[in-house]
Amino acid sequence: GAGVSQSPRYKVAKRGQDVALRCDPISGHVSLFWYQQALGQGPEFLTYFQNEAQLDKSGLPSDRFFAERPEGSVSTLKIQRTQKEDSAVYLCASSYSWRNAYEQYFGPGTRLTVT
Amino acid sequence: TQLLEQSPQFLSIQEGENLTVYCNSSSVFSSLQWYRQEPGEGPVLLVTVVTGGEVKKLKRLTFQFGDARKDSSLHITAAQPGDTGLYLCAGGNAGKSTFGDGTTLTVKP
Repeated sequence: GAGVSQSPRYKVAKRGQDVALRCDPISGHVSLFWYQQALGQGPEFLTYFQNEAQLDKSGLPSDRFFAERPEGSVSTLKIQRTQKEDSAVYLCASSYSWRNAYEQYFGPGTRLTVT
Repeated sequence: TQLLEQSPQFLSIQEGENLTVYCNSSSVFSSLQWYRQEPGEGPVLLVTVVTGGEVKKLKRLTFQFGDARKDSSLHITAAQPGDTGLYLCAGGNAGKSTFGDGTTLTVKP
């Protein structure tokens, strides 16, 4: 079956623009996670959904970051008024259930460059 | 804040050598995962360890979870160039995974 897909794979935005990053999790996976990965570092937690409920958004860096998963499947991470420090790879991951929430299947990521 | 420290940060070895990389924390985790990440790709899950003292083997890879569930190690026997990549450990608690910054392994033919 298909894995986690993310689009676009690459995004260049001018500072101040809004961007929307999409994640299609593995079909039937209940949990969905967003991470930010800076060059040379491990992924950093941003937010977590169980079905359509956003259970934890403690990792979102500022109120410019917003995530949603309205129907409990596809998720979108939106960044408003992008800044240079937002440049990073944004990774989406899904897991089968809350019991196995830590066993995550990752997409290839979206590389965001803010100029 | 739960932190995971991985060492060494970089490791370059010849094909056929053995190696061990480490993942340490002052926090207790309910489970710990090891992932491998290649350039331009997302991390790929290798193993989950749950019980203190647990040892899991995956072909030439041996994973160990510390007795206190605060640390872990990954040992690779007879490394091959295909083992090259970034090895990440992640600790799970309260629905959230905390990742270390990884060990970048290069295996030269």
